[in-house]
Amino acid sequence: EADIYQTPRYLVIGTGKKITLECSQTMGHDKMYWYQQDPGMELHLIHYSYGVNSTEKGDLSSESTVSRIRTEHFPLTLESARPSHTSQYLCASSGHDRVGYNSPLHFGNGTRLTVT
Amino acid sequence: ILNVEQSPQSLHVQEGDSTNFTCSFPSSNFYALHWYRWETAKSPEALFVMTLNGDEKKKGRISATLNTKEGYSYLYIKGSQPEDSATYLCAFREPQGNKLVFGAGTILRVKS
Repeated sequence: EADIYQTPRYLVIGTGKKITLECSQTMGHDKMYWYQQDPGMELHLIHYSYGVNSTEKGDLSSESTVSRIRTEHFPLTLESARPSHTSQYLCASSGHDRVGYNSPLHFGNGTRLTVT
Repeated sequence: ILNVEQSPQSLHVQEGDSTNFTCSFPSSNFYALHWYRWETAKSPEALFVMTLNGDEKKKGRISATLNTKEGYSYLYIKGSQPEDSATYLCAFREPQGNKLVFGAGTILRVKS
C-alpha cells in the first residue's frame, strides 16, 4: 500500500520535449527528495526540499527543476529533454524525528525515463 | 566527497544458505547508517536505521551490526529464501547536512 506516488511509471519521449515527473505523498512529511539512478550505479540526490517553498539542489548536477507549493506535492520538470537525461528517477519523503535526520526514507516506485 | 562502498557487488546463493554483505563508510563524524531492500519492480523499503556504535538490529531473518569506529556495517540473512532476492542498499547520513549518500548496492539472488 503506497503512501508516496510517482507518475508516470515509464516515459519514452523525444528530444526537446518538456516533461514533468509527478510525486505526491499522503504522510504529511516535510522532507522530500528526488534521486537519479543509472543501471548498476548509486542513487544520486538531485533535489530536496525541507518544506513548502523550500528547494535545494543535491550533490549531482541536474538540468531539472523542482517546486514545492504544497506539502504533499514535489514535481520535477525538465524543460528540454535530452538523451543524457535517460535514467530512473526516484522520489522519496521522510518525516520528522527528535534528532531530525534519522527517519527512514519512504520511496515511490520510480519513473523510468527514456529520451530518444 | 563521501564514499560509501558495498561488497560484494552481487551474490548468488542456494535456498537455505545464510549470507552476509558489507557496507563501508567514513568513520569520522558518524550520524546514522540506513539499510534498504529494493525488490525488482517495487520501491526501496527501509530495513534499519542504525545510530550507535555496536548497534545490532533484527527483523525476522535479517539482522545488521554497526561499527562506527572502523566504519562498517554488516547485513546478515539467515536461511535465505527466494523472496529475499533483491538489491540491498546502505546509505550514510553525511555530517554536514540532512542528506543520505548511497552505496551502489549488493544484488542478492537466492535459487530454490
